[in-house]
Amino acid sequence: GDSVTQKEGLVTLTEGLPVMLNCTYQTIYSNAFLFWYVHYLNESPRLLLKSSTDNKRTEHQGFHATLHKSSSSFHLQKSSAQLSDSALYYCALIFNNAGAKLTFGGGTRLTVRP
Amino acid sequence: EAAVTQSPRNKVAVTGGKVTLSCNQTNNHNNMYWYRQDTGHGLRLIHYSYGAGSTEKGDIPDGYKASRPSQENFSLILELATPSQTSVYFCASGDQGWDTEVFFGKGTRLTVV
Repeated sequence: GDSVTQKEGLVTLTEGLPVMLNCTYQTIYSNAFLFWYVHYLNESPRLLLKSSTDNKRTEHQGFHATLHKSSSSFHLQKSSAQLSDSALYYCALIFNNAGAKLTFGGGTRLTVRP
Repeated sequence: EAAVTQSPRNKVAVTGGKVTLSCNQTNNHNNMYWYRQDTGHGLRLIHYSYGAGSTEKGDIPDGYKASRPSQENFSLILELATPSQTSVYFCASGDQGWDTEVFFGKGTRLTVV
């Protein structure tokens, strides 16, 4: 079945260093829509960015990601981490022929230290 | 701003008891979801719905039932609660269309003792 893998459960960085959170997915279908959601402490998870276009960079709030269908990847990146980026990040996907089923990965907890 | 309200926000239940978690959305969204959040497992889909009267099994439906009596309301029911169902539960809603954002409630912390 469909699945999303986030290989790092925990990432700790020093402020100012680049961020890269990995996301890969498995599918037997050709069309997938990928999302990154961010979950700050004591808040609800919310959408950070999304894409279904192969090899096109999408950006929001300083973060960016590019969907690569050849490698089934949608890694989240940021050039310089800030203390306020500390949160839980989820990669998620939906297939166009899977109706409304939205599947999330295991999440990556990012901690940014001074 | 899309609004999804969950109740209760915290619940302690006894093993073997029945638990109902409620979710209400005022966004007129067709799709609604129930997830549980556990460290190391992320958000796992329990049940979801395409609209009033419909419920679909997600990835981990065992031990849970769902009910969608109206567009606005989606409930998750634990008929016989077990300690393994101790978790944080999130409800979410989203519009029709595979590329649309889903909006989450604030979560319900359930402890089964």
